[in-house]
Amino acid sequence: KNQVEQSPQSLIILEGKNCTLQCNYTVSPFSNLRWYKQDTGRGPVSLTIMTFSENTKSNGRYTATLDADTKQSSLHITASQLSDSASYICVVTPGDNTDKLIFGTGTRLQVFP
Amino acid sequence: KAGVTQTPRYLIKTRGQQVTLSCSPISGHRSVSWYQQTPGQGLQFLFEYFSETQRNKGNFPGRFSGRQFSNSRSEMNVSTLELGDSALYLCASSLVPSAHEQYFGPGTRLTVT
Repeated sequence: KNQVEQSPQSLIILEGKNCTLQCNYTVSPFSNLRWYKQDTGRGPVSLTIMTFSENTKSNGRYTATLDADTKQSSLHITASQLSDSASYICVVTPGDNTDKLIFGTGTRLQVFP
Repeated sequence: KAGVTQTPRYLIKTRGQQVTLSCSPISGHRSVSWYQQTPGQGLQFLFEYFSETQRNKGNFPGRFSGRQFSNSRSEMNVSTLELGDSALYLCASSLVPSAHEQYFGPGTRLTVT
């Protein structure tokens, strides 16, 4: 069964610290993997998209990595800011032309001053 | 360029009623997808429309339906509302079907009492 699992479920860090969020998936075949940031009460906003041939992609202080062999991805946030407090959702697109995205349940990050 | 807009933003209905939610995609985008988001289940795919045709459907009962108009605007309808339908309903648009970059709207918060 195609699944996307994220860990941890929630995370609290202090402003200025780094953190890493994990995403493991069992989707096969695989087309691409995306990370979204969702502020409370808002729609998700895309941070990065990686195809199976890419192993890292950066967007400012956000760096996503992908290991297609182990089916793992991580999102690293550098020098966290209060505005990073949000849910981070990992989404996998299967490569079977169904176009049905598979969503993880997200990691809730809280950054405190 | 205006983003994805959804109306209404908030809605309160009682059990047994029906509701219609509206989504206007980004200008030029022809694909619209709908998602239900609840705290326990995360984002779940409802259906996707492209050029007025439903391309994909998630595992939701027939009470959930949708349509897309010739101007790419989309509506979803939920009939005979149940308490469990309380959720954030998100619409996402893309140039072509969902395997490509999706842009989410702010969502409609539906509360069923």
